[in-house]
Amino acid sequence: SQQGEEDPQALSIQEGENATMNCSYKTSINNLQWYRQNSGRGLVHLILIRSNEREKHSGRLRVTLDTSKKSSSLLITASRAADTASYFCATGLVTGGGNKLTFGTGTQLKVEL
Amino acid sequence: KAGVTQTPRYLIKTRGQQVTLSCSPISGHRSVSWYQQTPGQGLQFLFEYFSETQRNKGNFPGRFSGRQFSNSRSEMNVSTLELGDSALYLCASSRSPGTGGTEAFFGQGTRLTVV
Repeated sequence: SQQGEEDPQALSIQEGENATMNCSYKTSINNLQWYRQNSGRGLVHLILIRSNEREKHSGRLRVTLDTSKKSSSLLITASRAADTASYFCATGLVTGGGNKLTFGTGTQLKVEL
Repeated sequence: KAGVTQTPRYLIKTRGQQVTLSCSPISGHRSVSWYQQTPGQGLQFLFEYFSETQRNKGNFPGRFSGRQFSNSRSEMNVSTLELGDSALYLCASSRSPGTGGTEAFFGQGTRLTVV
């Protein structure tokens, strides 16, 4: 079963606009990670935020985490056509001596010229 | 630094057959996880190996198995294939989890089609 639900399921914006995707989850986590996937290929790691962090930046990406609301958001600023992809959040739990990731349902982002 | 390598990239098998998929992690990474991705179920966790030991397991039948070798390379095996096993199988590698977890880096996947 999926841990996270992402909202919206699909998002279409114009190049240069900002895109915001939200992720909600249900149980305790150690970290939350965001990934991008192009056309059913492998996932590209974007950013990791730990449970004791509230905000993190990487280039045009800004991630927030609210553990009290069990939610996270990914903001892509000044979007480009190359940002068109599916975006997934994944909650990480350190358990059993490993780090188990549970993925959300994903948001399909389309950036139009 | 080479990324995660999965072989083969594409595979077509017949129902009832078995299949073995291979994953070579990033050099220095000792943890390997496997995921199944389908349009209906999304990304589902299969299992995770660290230091040749299975650390976590998802909710998949016993037909799905895996192992990790001393060089951290991993294989997963699916026996008695069913049509519903058709999926993109993704492997991810990461360093040891530490206390807060760590990033996972994915390969390009193996696209398995069962006919």
